[in-house]
Amino acid sequence: GEDVEQSLFLSVREGDSSVINCTYTDSSSTYLYWYKQEPGAGLQLLTYIFSNMDMKQDQRLTVLLNKKDKHLSLRIADTQTGDSAIYFCAETPGAGSYQLTFGKGTKLSVIP
Amino acid sequence: DAGVIQSPRHEVTEMGQEVTLRCKPISGHNSLFWYRQTMMRGLELLIYFNNNVPIDDSGMPEDRFSAKMPNASFSTLKIQPSEPRDSAVYFCASSLVEGSNQPQHFGDGTRLSIL
Repeated sequence: GEDVEQSLFLSVREGDSSVINCTYTDSSSTYLYWYKQEPGAGLQLLTYIFSNMDMKQDQRLTVLLNKKDKHLSLRIADTQTGDSAIYFCAETPGAGSYQLTFGKGTKLSVIP
Repeated sequence: DAGVIQSPRHEVTEMGQEVTLRCKPISGHNSLFWYRQTMMRGLELLIYFNNNVPIDDSGMPEDRFSAKMPNASFSTLKIQPSEPRDSAVYFCASSLVEGSNQPQHFGDGTRLSIL
């Protein structure tokens, strides 16, 4: 079955770049997502990438996709204390599909 | 635009009581999802509605759980009778599922504690 793996923790210093990694097993994954969850809040969609793209940039966020290795990463430039949260990687098999498989989340701690 | 709205934000009740969680999806979305989040299991999909019809309820833990969507702008998740192991954060999400994929948008959740 589908599986999405992430490391559980990441600590970075304020101002440095953060890179959160994710691997998935479903070769038919079409859309891949990054969600952010702050304490006591819901999941906020950060960005998503279509599987025929290698990279997507949105302000401080850069998503890289290596479809051959089924590896997705989220880079946050100039990490701020407000970026401290849990980041979830998720994938869906295709257009029109409702199935969304989530990783267990990476807790990012930003050290002032 | 208003996002997905869930109520209540917090619920504390004694075991055996009925619990009803409510959700208003984003206007225009045709799909609604109920998830449960716990430390042990992460995010679990409980049930999925498309055009107000339940399509996949395989994630509903047991008969104590039921969900309804009487119209496009409202859904409920009911637990009766509630048990301490039902304590979790319950999220509702909505999206527009059609030819081109649209992401799911989540509400802020209901934090449920069963004593």
